[in-house]
Amino acid sequence: QAVVTQEPSLTVSPGGTVTLTCGSSTGAVTDSHYPSWCQQKPGQAPRTLIYYTSDKHSWTPARFSGSLVGGKAALTLSGAQPEDEAEYYCLLSYSGGWVFGGGTKLSVL
Amino acid sequence: QVQLVQSGSELKKPGASVKVSCKASGYSFTSHALNWVRQAPGQGLEWMGWIHTNTGIPTYARGFTGRFVFSLDSSVNTVYLQISSLEAADTAIYFCARLTPYAENSWGQGTLVTVSS
Repeated sequence: QAVVTQEPSLTVSPGGTVTLTCGSSTGAVTDSHYPSWCQQKPGQAPRTLIYYTSDKHSWTPARFSGSLVGGKAALTLSGAQPEDEAEYYCLLSYSGGWVFGGGTKLSVL
Repeated sequence: QVQLVQSGSELKKPGASVKVSCKASGYSFTSHALNWVRQAPGQGLEWMGWIHTNTGIPTYARGFTGRFVFSLDSSVNTVYLQISSLEAADTAIYFCARLTPYAENSWGQGTLVTVSS
């Protein structure tokens, strides 16, 4: 089974920019993995911010964007807000189903 | 809008079974598979598998075969997760989710299953 890797933790200053990445043990991440990004705050259910690499939901703040960079999926937060402090999970599709990354704990300090 | 509403928390003894439900609304039930995701206390998200809502055919991730069964009742737009022979290690929050590259993704609110004697 594939392993999806994310940074365990990152810190960003309020108003700053940070990029979270998502790699695959099977090689480069492509659009065919349908990368998506979920945000989870303590005590809450996850919610999907980005799907199909870069598509946003109606509730996704404009400061979040998704892309492919250097063989990985990436979630970029531009203009971080205190409410963006959360755990972020990457999700990739493989032939047998979905695999989650281990999550990145993002602190806004 | 797409909504997934799950059944309430459960407290079970080791060896018992539990059945969690997830009722979908706001879209055509048979248009997208529904997934189950586990989150153990203090841990990350783990994909358990999915059930195709047009055929009822389930797919289970590695580690979720045998004691875990996905089923559905199309007449009430509901999917189910049944876990048998419960162990303490099954204590977790279980989420249903519509995960698709082609449309709005949505998550249920989660169901806490606690296994304790």
